[in-house]
Amino acid sequence: SYELPQPPSVSVSPGQTAIITCSGDELGYKFSSWYQQKAGQSPVLILYQDNKRPSGIPERFSGSSSGNTATLTIWGTQPLDEAVYFCQGWDGDNVIFGGGTTLTVL
Amino acid sequence: QVQLVQSGADVKRPGSSVKVSCKASGDTFTKYTITWVRQAPGKGPEWMGRIFPMIGVTNYAQRFQDRVKITADKSTNTAYIELDRLRSDDAAVYYCGRGPQGSGSGSFYVDSWGPGTLLTVSS
Repeated sequence: SYELPQPPSVSVSPGQTAIITCSGDELGYKFSSWYQQKAGQSPVLILYQDNKRPSGIPERFSGSSSGNTATLTIWGTQPLDEAVYFCQGWDGDNVIFGGGTTLTVL
Repeated sequence: QVQLVQSGADVKRPGSSVKVSCKASGDTFTKYTITWVRQAPGKGPEWMGRIFPMIGVTNYAQRFQDRVKITADKSTNTAYIELDRLRSDDAAVYYCGRGPQGSGSGSFYVDSWGPGTLLTVSS
């Protein structure tokens, strides 16, 4: 079955750049999305169609996609960015979410 | 901006059915899709399906196709998901969310989420 592996955790210091990847067969040839979820809250869409930001999402969140990998980049990471980040993709039949990456801002 | 209000937490016996509601306000219900996603404790989200309320067309995840039904009532701006033959591993938070109309990989994102409905399955 189609899966979207993500690194379980990423740690950065405040102000640094956080990079979170999501891998899947030919993921770069289909659109992917990214969500942020804080503890006890509903997910929030932060990127859709690879690199588009919904209204209200800061510019420090950016996305790219190529080959088998979609990438979420958080520039100038802030403590309030601590959360779990999920990617979402489609294999042509099923919509799949990645397992999530916990971002820690030390 | 759309607001989504979901029905309250529920406890069901294994083998029974559950129906969760999602009432939308603040935007035109039929301009978008309503997606249902569930999330078990400590796990990633799991896409279950969606409905185009304007035309009643549904898309379901293959693994749920034989026991899930998503409906929408345009008169009350409410969408529903019904899951049959419940098992213990169906225990999760069930979210509804708004998404765009359209098909293809660029149309499955959810840009507004409901607060979630906790389902417990226990004998």
